[in-house]
Order: sequence, then structure tokens, then C-alpha cells
Amino acid sequence: DSGVTQTPKHLITATGQRVTLRCSPRSGDLSVYWYQQSLDQGLQFLIQYYNGEERAKGNILERFSAQQFPDLHSELNLSSLELGDSALYFCASSYSGGESGELFFGEGSRLTVL
Amino acid sequence: AQSVTQLGSHVSVSEGALVLLRCNYSSSVPPYLFWYVQYPNQGLQLLLKYTSAATLVKGINGFEAEFKKSETSFHLTKPSAHMSDAAEYFCAVNGGTSYGKLTFGQGTILTVHP
Repeated sequence: DSGVTQTPKHLITATGQRVTLRCSPRSGDLSVYWYQQSLDQGLQFLIQYYNGEERAKGNILERFSAQQFPDLHSELNLSSLELGDSALYFCASSYSGGESGELFFGEGSRLTVL
Repeated sequence: AQSVTQLGSHVSVSEGALVLLRCNYSSSVPPYLFWYVQYPNQGLQLLLKYTSAATLVKGINGFEAEFKKSETSFHLTKPSAHMSDAAEYFCAVNGGTSYGKLTFGQGTILTVHP
């Protein structure tokens, strides 16, 4: 158990809909990262937050947004969903800004868009 | 820009045999390199990391990796495979200012036969 909690574990929805994925980092960790894992793209970095502020941005679509709240949990919002958004979405956390490279990953939220 | 190439999407070995998973990287700055492991239905877990100290890095579960700058490689090895090593292994690189922005390889699925 990494200490990172993601909900929901599975989500099935239709094209055009909007979903919210939630992540609770390990106790004491200040950074939260979101990654997308799909068969064709592999593991792709989406975005990082550090203590409530956006720290780094990757290949995140404009239809996607994220935030980190004062209690350090984070949410990833996916809107106008398309079939190609079906993937496993991982949240990870670290105490620092990620300099050590040691990220602690949750078990992921599997999104299926029909 | 950084990238990682893992040679071989599937590797199969017998229990007790040597495990060798190949990773080559490209980085415009001195890289930090990592190997993560993903067991079925779980998140990723850090196996080991290279951060410009010793070139031979030892990790958990008997794995080790050697950083070879001249070959831009960071191959993962284990002298004797165990059934419990069956998983997917990811090589990753980061560097520059976005430390948490790990760039992952496509992954190598390791199968261990009795």
C-alpha cells in the first residue's frame, strides 16, 4: 500500500460527459502528479501541483483540468469526454517537488468512455 | 528534451535465470534515471534510481542497474529470477527544472516460467 488513495477505481461513462477523479496523497506529501496510461500512448505525464500551486504541465488536453485543495487532495476533471480518453489515470505524490524522482503511485482510476 | 526506449515489450525467462531488461535514454541534461515496477492491478513502485552518484545502483528485490553514459543505457538486471518478479517494468528519466515530470518508456512485461 503506497498510501495514495484514488477514487473511483472504475468509472464507465458516455461520450460528451464530464467526470471527476479524486486523489488523496500520502500523509505529509506536498506534491501531487497526474499521469495517464493507455495502450497506445503509454504513461504520459499530465500535470503536477505542489502545495496548491501548479508546478509543471505536460500533455494535458484543454478539456482536462486539475486542482489541489488546501488539504492537499487533488481532483482531475475530464470534460467533453471522447472514446480516446479511455485510460487508466494515476495519481502520485511526493514530499518534495519531485527532485528525488521517487513518486508514490495510487492504484489508478480506470475510465471507460462508451 | 528527454526520451526513453525500452528494447523488447515482452521478456520471458525461466525461474532462476538471469533477468536483463534494456533501457536507453536521451537527455539534453545530466539525467536522473529510474526503474519502476507495476504488478497487476497496482500502481507503480520505485525499484531503484540513479542520481549521478555511483553508476551501479542496487534496488529492492535483488535488482540492480548500471548507468553507462557512453552507451546512454541503464539496463536492469537480476541474477536469478523468481516467479514473484513477473510484472511490467518501466524505465524513466527526468532532469532540468521539472523534476516530477518523469518521462517513461513503453514498458517491458516480464514473464517467469517455472
